[in-house]
Amino acid sequence: GQNIDQPTEMTATEGAIVQINCTYQTSGFNGLFWYQQHAGEAPTFLSYNVLDGLEEKGRFSSFLSRSKGYSYLLLKELQMKDSASYLCAVSFPGFQKLVFGTGTRLLVSP
Amino acid sequence: DSGVTQTPKHLITATGQRVTLRCSPRSGDLSVYWYQQSLDQGLQFLIQYYNGEERAKGNILERFSAQQFPDLHSELNLSSLELGDSALYFCASSAEPDAQGAGYTFGSGTRLTVV
Repeated sequence: GQNIDQPTEMTATEGAIVQINCTYQTSGFNGLFWYQQHAGEAPTFLSYNVLDGLEEKGRFSSFLSRSKGYSYLLLKELQMKDSASYLCAVSFPGFQKLVFGTGTRLLVSP
Repeated sequence: DSGVTQTPKHLITATGQRVTLRCSPRSGDLSVYWYQQSLDQGLQFLIQYYNGEERAKGNILERFSAQQFPDLHSELNLSSLELGDSALYFCASSAEPDAQGAGYTFGSGTRLTVV
């Protein structure tokens, strides 16, 4: 089976840094995606990691360790608009679907 | 606007009924994916079409079916609806059949409420 785990909810303060973890145990692995989803809206693509290491994109960075089955999304200089759910998703060689975790709801307070 | 168009945005229907959800992919994208998102659940993959052909199947119930037409738009048909089918249904598209790298582009979803 495919198991992707994320914390259900996190809270942080405006201007702070938060790290959202994702661990996975899957039969096969090609890469890992992070999406942002505001309540009732479509998920939007944030990042994609295939190789081990850190990918930085503005205030957001994503890290992958394939050997540990672990990824995190790092959000810096938090803004109120960053309050959303963050979904990690695994892709597989030869498969077409993405398997999503249940998402982490992040609440940013003033 | 992501370029992926889903209609209708909201749908309220009774148990036992049948509905059709429609998706037009982003211009140039050949692959269409359908996902279901229930309350407190992650996105569950239902089915994928690539250039008119079924490419991959997920946890799609037998009461549900889909197709992709020559103009690449797709329809998801849900029949004999039950209360538990109430969910957000997302369509996504990608240029390549396996969506590596760029990921999907999601539509804004259809919120289905079965009463």
